[in-house]
Amino acid sequence: GAVVSQHPSRVICKSGTSVKIECRSLDFQATTMFWYRQFPKQSLMLMATSNEGSKATYEQGVEKDKFLINHASLTLSTLTVTSAHPEDSSFYICSARKDRVTREQYFGPGTRLTVT
Amino acid sequence: GENVEQHPSTLSVQEGDSAVIKCTYSDSASNYFPWYKQELGKRPQLIIDIRSNVGEKKDQRIAVTLNKTAKHFSLHITETQPEDSAVYFCAASIGGSQGNLIFGKGTKLSVKP
Repeated sequence: GAVVSQHPSRVICKSGTSVKIECRSLDFQATTMFWYRQFPKQSLMLMATSNEGSKATYEQGVEKDKFLINHASLTLSTLTVTSAHPEDSSFYICSARKDRVTREQYFGPGTRLTVT
Repeated sequence: GENVEQHPSTLSVQEGDSAVIKCTYSDSASNYFPWYKQELGKRPQLIIDIRSNVGEKKDQRIAVTLNKTAKHFSLHITETQPEDSAVYFCAASIGGSQGNLIFGKGTKLSVKP
């Protein structure tokens, strides 16, 4: 199989605090992990691409100092939302890819972030 | 950059009928086209995909067709069932070694019993 977990599933935090979200590939090594943001009834917006051991590549308009991504191993990537504000409230989903040749991406269950 | 257009945005069919969702892409170097099904509040699930060296692929009640010349691909669901109700996203890989996916805006499919 190709199972991706994400933790936490829901988090509520106060404005100004930081939140860390973990994404793990459970039964395969992921050469690349992706972070998406999804607003209600909208599509998946790619925020950044992370390759193990190298810096993440951010999409245009995504603040890299606000959304810190660390891909420390082939099975773990983390997204830290720093100094969160209510407008950062959203559904954050990660995905993992086994290799660049097949290009199949498997998604985590998502994290619902609410900033009060 | 790559742009993926998806139509229709909503689709309502009667149980047992067929449903067709269409997508177009702009990057001629794209070579991988997956379709995802997302139920409310859940993760997108890969349901079928097609690569540029193939024109059609079928898996039970779902099929995908690809027209590279016209740069469009379609999802076909036959004998629809209420459990097919969900949002469906098409995607296309951008050219180059990264091959990131660009998603369409989604189609909300409702299958009425």
